[in-house]
Amino acid sequence: GENVEQHPSTLSVQEGDSAVIKCTYSDSASNYFPWYKQELGKGPQLIIDIRSNVGEKKDQRIAVTLNKTAKHFSLHITETQPEDSAVYFCAASDGNEKLTFGTGTRLTIIP
Amino acid sequence: EPEVTQTPSHQVTQMGQEVILRCVPISNHLYFYWYRQILGQKVEFLVSFYNNEISEKSEIFDDQFSVERPDGSNFTLKIRSTKLEDSAMYFCASSHHPYNQPQHFGDGTRLSIL
Repeated sequence: GENVEQHPSTLSVQEGDSAVIKCTYSDSASNYFPWYKQELGKGPQLIIDIRSNVGEKKDQRIAVTLNKTAKHFSLHITETQPEDSAVYFCAASDGNEKLTFGTGTRLTIIP
Repeated sequence: EPEVTQTPSHQVTQMGQEVILRCVPISNHLYFYWYRQILGQKVEFLVSFYNNEISEKSEIFDDQFSVERPDGSNFTLKIRSTKLEDSAMYFCASSHHPYNQPQHFGDGTRLSIL
């Protein structure tokens, strides 16, 4: 089955700097890659997703890139703000209904 | 914005007891899911459900688990005889379509087995 690795497990950046979180996946059949943000006491909130026919997708300060050959995808957050502090999860789907999640990255924005 | 709602937010149960976790998916969504997250670990898929049938399940979803859509709005997860290792956050999610479509999650039920 699919296995998703996520790095780093923790990340601290100065407010205003950029943050990058990386994930790799094992199943070359995977073709859908969402990113979720989880704040304390809340469920995962979808922030951006990308499908395998696209190499990059951007939504304001958030972007995701996908390299199908290398089987990795990354989340980029620019001009970070204190409210970006949360745990971020990547996930992958091989066209079935289930999402396979990474282990999460705790992002802390230092004011 | 429509959201998935889950009740209760925290459930404490004695080992061996049955527990039912409840979810109200987004109203026009047709596909429903349960995931769980053991403390400090990754979110894991349990089961997906469509048209009153289980469409996919993981190896975690054994005979002690069952799901049901008892009416037009609720979606439930039942654990028949709880074990200590069932302690986790349980998340319900829903989507309008399956297969590479966004899944929207509720805020979860924290299940504590004593």
